[in-house]
Amino acid sequence: GENVEQHPSTLSVQEGDSAVIKCTYSDSASNYFPWYKQELGKRPQLIIDIRSNVGEKKDQRIAVTLNKTAKHFSLHITETQPEDSAVYFCAASYGGATNKLIFGTGTLLAVQP
Amino acid sequence: EAQVTQNPRYLITVTGKKLTVTCSQNMNHEYMSWYRQDPGLGLRQIYYSMNVEVTDKGDVPEGYKVSRKEKRNFPLILESPSPNQTSLYFCASSSTGLRQTQYFGPGTRLLVL
Repeated sequence: GENVEQHPSTLSVQEGDSAVIKCTYSDSASNYFPWYKQELGKRPQLIIDIRSNVGEKKDQRIAVTLNKTAKHFSLHITETQPEDSAVYFCAASYGGATNKLIFGTGTLLAVQP
Repeated sequence: EAQVTQNPRYLITVTGKKLTVTCSQNMNHEYMSWYRQDPGLGLRQIYYSMNVEVTDKGDVPEGYKVSRKEKRNFPLILESPSPNQTSLYFCASSSTGLRQTQYFGPGTRLLVL
């Protein structure tokens, strides 16, 4: 079946450093790639997304890049702050025109003050 | 206040006893979806609905049923729960499809003994 691989599973950085999380997807028809942040005990929240006709998207300290040829996409967080500490999930649509979403297994990001 | 609500928030039950987890949204969203979250596996989509009376299977539909008789409600039904359905369940909605921002409910933690 289709899958999304996410690395690393845990990431520890110093406050102010950058963090990068990478995902690889298998379905060449995937065309929508959201990223979710989930704080401990809370619900997932969309932080940024990208569609297949775009290579990069930025929103303040957060950016996402997409390489359709290689079937991978990445989340970049610059100038990390302690409140960035959370689990981050990537996801990819699959099944062509369907509205199905498959998630990566998550990255626990810890920002050390 | 725009929101997605789920009930109950916590549930302990026994194998084979039918249960329903309700999900309701007040944003007039067309798209609704159910996910389960398990440690190390991330989020997995169970079922989704594009509109009233339109539902389809996600990645892990076995053992679950859904219905969409009204736009605002999307209940998840476990006809004969088993211990492997012990999980954290999230309902989510978005305006017209998963390519729009999905808003998640607070989650329902289910334990099947």
